[in-house]
Amino acid sequence: QQQVRQSPQSLTVWEGETAILNCSYEDSTFNYFPWYQQFPGEGPALLISIRSVSDKKEDGRFTIFFNKREKKLSLHITDSQPGDSATYFCAARASSGSWQLIFGSGTQLTVMP
Amino acid sequence: GGIITQTPKFLIGQEGQKLTLKCQQNFNHDTMYWYRQDSGKGLRLIYYSITENDLQKGDLSEGYDASREKKSSFSLTVTSAQKNEMAVFLCASSRGGEQYFGPGTRLTVL
Repeated sequence: QQQVRQSPQSLTVWEGETAILNCSYEDSTFNYFPWYQQFPGEGPALLISIRSVSDKKEDGRFTIFFNKREKKLSLHITDSQPGDSATYFCAARASSGSWQLIFGSGTQLTVMP
Repeated sequence: GGIITQTPKFLIGQEGQKLTLKCQQNFNHDTMYWYRQDSGKGLRLIYYSITENDLQKGDLSEGYDASREKKSSFSLTVTSAQKNEMAVFLCASSRGGEQYFGPGTRLTVL
């Protein structure tokens, strides 16, 4: 049972466009949602995260929109750059007491110059 | 700041072989993790440890052993490598919610 789902599997945008990466989850106890960025040959690196008490989190060109009622969130990358080309993972963690992150299968983003 | 070091970077094994992967962190984090990453799939948790000498099984622990000898190190053993297996094994550490990952060990079984 896949508890965290991501779409699309791959996405190509032109430089300067906004890339939108989607994520949904099933477990209503999930309350912390980090997004990780992974370049080929490297480990994932934390990009931005949001807690379920917020509906939006912004950090520069990266913004998370969170809809608790629909159990959906999305990562928007504005003014996309070729250097943003990477795989992006959405993850989720249940309320306090749980150590585990549940990862989605990732979205591979390509930004064309 | 800190860093997570994984050795070896590349590991080639034979079917049935016992293989050990090592991870060191200098964040002074309490919790450490081992994940497996297959192409086109997300990260799946194999083992984690919330303190020295503690071990907790993840969803993918069958076929693996782990050892947390001291706070800074966490080892993973593939007990019997499967033919044609290819995967990346990622080590991570955390204090609280944020996990920090190492660069990975790429395993190929011939």
